[in-house]
Amino acid sequence: DTAVSQTPKYLVTQMGNDKSIKCEQNLGHDTMYWYKQDSKKFLKIMFSYNNKELIINETVPNRFSPKSPDKAHLNLHINSLELGDSAVYFCASSPGQGDGELFFGEGSRLTVL
Amino acid sequence: RKEVEQDPGPFNVPEGATVAFNCTYSNSASQSFFWYRQDCRKEPKLLMSVYSSGNEDGRFTAQLNRASQYISLLIRDSKLSDSATYLCVVSLYSGGGADGLTFGKGTHLIIQP
Repeated sequence: DTAVSQTPKYLVTQMGNDKSIKCEQNLGHDTMYWYKQDSKKFLKIMFSYNNKELIINETVPNRFSPKSPDKAHLNLHINSLELGDSAVYFCASSPGQGDGELFFGEGSRLTVL
Repeated sequence: RKEVEQDPGPFNVPEGATVAFNCTYSNSASQSFFWYRQDCRKEPKLLMSVYSSGNEDGRFTAQLNRASQYISLLIRDSKLSDSATYLCVVSLYSGGGADGLTFGKGTHLIIQP
């Protein structure tokens, strides 16, 4: 069983479209995250949710909107996609906010044409 | 100055050799330190935490030098399967709070037969 699963794994779309990436964790963790890894390989946090509540919202365009229907799910919706949004988006979870071990999903590779 | 800096490599090392690489961090208030491993086109996974007194896990040894603000990873008797990118991760929180985690760009290691 995959502990942190995200769908889709690959997404190719045109500029201006709206797309969503879904994430689910079956580890019983309280905290979930979205990270972005761009072509330069930097892994940067975008959002963090603890028990469905938004904890961190780094400086990302408001075209990105996370939604956590319950603590096992954290989805990411992106409006009006731009070329610069092309990246790998990783969902992750951790037992709590104070725990440094992150469990990552396999990543969703987004390509905007 | 980047918050967490690593030599991107690649480090090409023959199988069986010992390899070491460092990572420097800029924020002296950093409290927790980790090494993550990321295989090509895969998600990062925790390799080991780095403790103040240094710690060892099999062939891997991690050291922390707070005075000079760097951490190191030593791999002995390297195996082909050690080929990966090694990410240095630093947290501002003593519990390793994932919301305070900063990732380095990683050092790419290639073990050659």
